[in-house]
Amino acid sequence: KAGVTQTPRYLIKTRGQQVTLSCSPISGHRSVSWYQQTPGQGLQFLFEYFSETQRNKGNFPGRFSGRQFSNSRSEMNVSTLELGDSALYLCASSQYRGREAFFGQGTRLTVV
Amino acid sequence: GQQLNQSPQSMFIQEGEDVSMNCTSSSIFNTWLWYKQDPGEGPVLLIALYKAGELTSNGRLTAQFGITRKDSFLNISASIPSDVGIYFCAVFWDTGNQFYFGTGTSLTVIP
Repeated sequence: KAGVTQTPRYLIKTRGQQVTLSCSPISGHRSVSWYQQTPGQGLQFLFEYFSETQRNKGNFPGRFSGRQFSNSRSEMNVSTLELGDSALYLCASSQYRGREAFFGQGTRLTVV
Repeated sequence: GQQLNQSPQSMFIQEGEDVSMNCTSSSIFNTWLWYKQDPGEGPVLLIALYKAGELTSNGRLTAQFGITRKDSFLNISASIPSDVGIYFCAVFWDTGNQFYFGTGTSLTVIP
């Protein structure tokens, strides 16, 4: 069974630009969560989607958004990039609420 | 948000030694997970715990879900160089429908 796939692995963007990251969950998993990981803040929850509905959102500005498609694949978008958005963005999928969450390899975003 | 206190923050041990780390919270949680993360990679799930008092093993790794549901520990026996990495505990917050992660324990194994 294929794991969680995130694309791209690395991105370099300029301040003010926008970026879209993609996540394909494990087959059969309908819950997809996104996290931002930085050395100073650790793993911070961004949002969670289940069956195309956002069920919860973390404490991030509105520049961070996401969506989930009918095949459970998810995308997250960050608009008007700031230097502080540089981080490893991780996607995790779960088959059942509150059960094991499996992570992808992450997308390393660098904003210059 | 929920706070998870993970200790120690870092460990330097000799190859072959046993390792113990723990994670505590001020709130009760019904799901405790342990992950290992290598630099630049995503966290890999090691052990999942769903029942208070549960003791679960995965090879040289053993984890326990505290009876109060406010803590968990992870033990690694006979450490080897590939055990190097950052270990995270995580809990599932039912109300917020999200996972919270500890600050991590950085493990260095000296050959």
